[in-house]
Amino acid sequence: GQNIDQPTEMTATEGAIVQINCTYQTSGFNGLFWYQQHAGEAPTFLSYNVLDGLEEKGRFSSFLSRSKGYSYLLLKELQMKDSASYLCAVRDYKGGYQKVTFGIGTKLQVIP
Amino acid sequence: GAGVSQSPSNKVTEKGKDVELRCDPISGHTALYWYRQSLGQGLEFLIYFQGNSAPDKSGLPSDRFSAERTGGSVSTLTIQRTQQEDSAVYLCASSLSPQRTHTGELFFGEGSRLTVL
Repeated sequence: GQNIDQPTEMTATEGAIVQINCTYQTSGFNGLFWYQQHAGEAPTFLSYNVLDGLEEKGRFSSFLSRSKGYSYLLLKELQMKDSASYLCAVRDYKGGYQKVTFGIGTKLQVIP
Repeated sequence: GAGVSQSPSNKVTEKGKDVELRCDPISGHTALYWYRQSLGQGLEFLIYFQGNSAPDKSGLPSDRFSAERTGGSVSTLTIQRTQQEDSAVYLCASSLSPQRTHTGELFFGEGSRLTVL
């Protein structure tokens, strides 16, 4: 199975940059996702990494190192609306199944 | 449909009753997932369907929980003899199989909030 670790809470200032780390252990790695979840809402897809390196999408970037079992989500030019939980999820391929397991999520609070 | 649809959006039941939660995935999506999210917690994997293969039931917490997917589309999650600890938001997600041309990301429904009194 998977073991996914990420910080439970972070606080950052509006306009700043914040990095949310995620480490994982899996035997059949087949992709890593980052999702955003506002309170009381469903998670929405932010980014995907399957190869090593950086993927950039506007103010959001995600990095992956498969050899280290490590990813981070980088949020630039923080806005108040970025206050949400950020979920790291790993897809594991085993025996024809593509199970996706989520970490506990990092609750980010953006302050003025 | 345009997105993943779940019903009911809210369900209040008495301890010991059975409940059924429904998920209608995005048309053409072969994979369907059920997760449970308790207040302030992460997403707990319950069960995963992929095409016509036998489902991965490894996350179901007890034999009171079961799920089926009919015709490769609509899925029903059934909880028998509900307990107070079953209170949570039950989220359904669907996806295409990952390929070189797309990521196979999960699209979530709005969830069914279950309260067991």
